[in-house]
Amino acid sequence: QVQLKETGPDLVQLTQTLSITCTVSGFSLTTYNVHWVRQPPGKGLEWMGAMWNGGGTDYNSAFKSRLSISRDTSKSQVFLKMNSLQTDDTAKYFCARQEGYNYFDYWGQGVMVTVSS
Amino acid sequence: DIQMTQSPASLSASLGETVTIECRASEDIYSNLAWYQQKPGNSPQLLIYDANSLADGVPSRFSGSGSGTQYSLKINSLQSEDVASYFCQQYNNYLTFGSGTKLEIK
Repeated sequence: QVQLKETGPDLVQLTQTLSITCTVSGFSLTTYNVHWVRQPPGKGLEWMGAMWNGGGTDYNSAFKSRLSISRDTSKSQVFLKMNSLQTDDTAKYFCARQEGYNYFDYWGQGVMVTVSS
Repeated sequence: DIQMTQSPASLSASLGETVTIECRASEDIYSNLAWYQQKPGNSPQLLIYDANSLADGVPSRFSGSGSGTQYSLKINSLQSEDVASYFCQQYNNYLTFGSGTKLEIK
């Protein structure tokens, strides 16, 4: 069955770099697009970016050049890397599979990341 | 960027009631809209896509409607398991989410 699972640190120091891995199963990264979405505690959802099935990427301009998304298709993994972390980057980070035009039919359970000063 | 204005921010209703949640887009999104349900501590789950298509396994008491810039999610015969936050998401131009509606039972 389709599954996505995020793994990453619980705590990141201010100004440091966040790295999260999304490991997928039940589908191929060369067939489906995978996106990253985050949610600060008690708040709404924010789209961060996408890894397209063809290998390209797209990013929310709000993250400017801080964000990088990549993948290893042989390991069925998609990677998020974001630098210069600030306290307002404290959030739960989700990866999600795109179905159809650009909505999400499967989500990972998310990883809660706290940025500490 | 397309802004999504969702209302109300919170909603309290009785079991069996019908509730409606609305989303307004800052420009025409041509029905490229999804609705998600998120229960506390869980990931969002897809309810509706393309404004009015029911996702697999979603009860028929959920329905979506709208066009242009105005969209709504209706829940008929409210059940206790519907307690959750609900988010709209446009995907006509990149992706943006509404701010969410927290639904509670009165």
